[in-house]
Amino acid sequence: GAVVSQHPSRVICKSGTSVKIECRSLDFQATTMFWYRQFPKQSLMLMATSNEGSKATYEQGVEKDKFLINHASLTLSTLTVTSAHPEDSSFYICSARDYGTSGTDTQYFGPGTRLTVL
Amino acid sequence: AQSVAQPEDQVNVAEGNPLTVKCTYSVSGNPYLFWYVQYPNRGLQFLLKYITGDNLVKGSYGFEAEFNKSQTSFHLKKPSALVSDSALYFCAVRDGGKLIFGQGTELSVKP
Repeated sequence: GAVVSQHPSRVICKSGTSVKIECRSLDFQATTMFWYRQFPKQSLMLMATSNEGSKATYEQGVEKDKFLINHASLTLSTLTVTSAHPEDSSFYICSARDYGTSGTDTQYFGPGTRLTVL
Repeated sequence: AQSVAQPEDQVNVAEGNPLTVKCTYSVSGNPYLFWYVQYPNRGLQFLLKYITGDNLVKGSYGFEAEFNKSQTSFHLKKPSALVSDSALYFCAVRDGGKLIFGQGTELSVKP
């Protein structure tokens, strides 16, 4: 299957700082990427849909000014957690939609980023 | 709205025995269904999907799933479980361009 990378895999930061997480599709172009948040032993919560060349679409209850998303190229989307606070500590996972040939259309996920805000 | 449900939080199986992880769906129209597996502190790995065609879908690592329209189910199965199959399994349904996930089922395979 297609490969999606995420960087960094783990980050620890002080409260009030901003953290940028990168999501890359390595062997396919992704016009659409997604950002999820996952709490321990829970399902994935979709935060936003990232569209190349346009503004992201945020899910209800997600602060767009706090979670800035940029999708400047067909292989890279970034999530910036601005002025992070301890309650933002979580596991953030991105995915990229691979339309592929023959209409395969599958989402492939990155390995996740563990954010800890002190 | 599209949704999936995984009725079991945890499934315990002995190594070598068959395993089933259950998923039921509620959709309007034709369902596009997926199974993903997540190992600790990792992202999700795609296992298989049902779009159309044969009701029995074969996927990665020896897993398969059976689409049952009358029971609105898409259970994940494997004939012989391995200890390394122990992980968190998610069923998902496509809703527009998004995936809607079930709550997840933790599979534990004991030697």
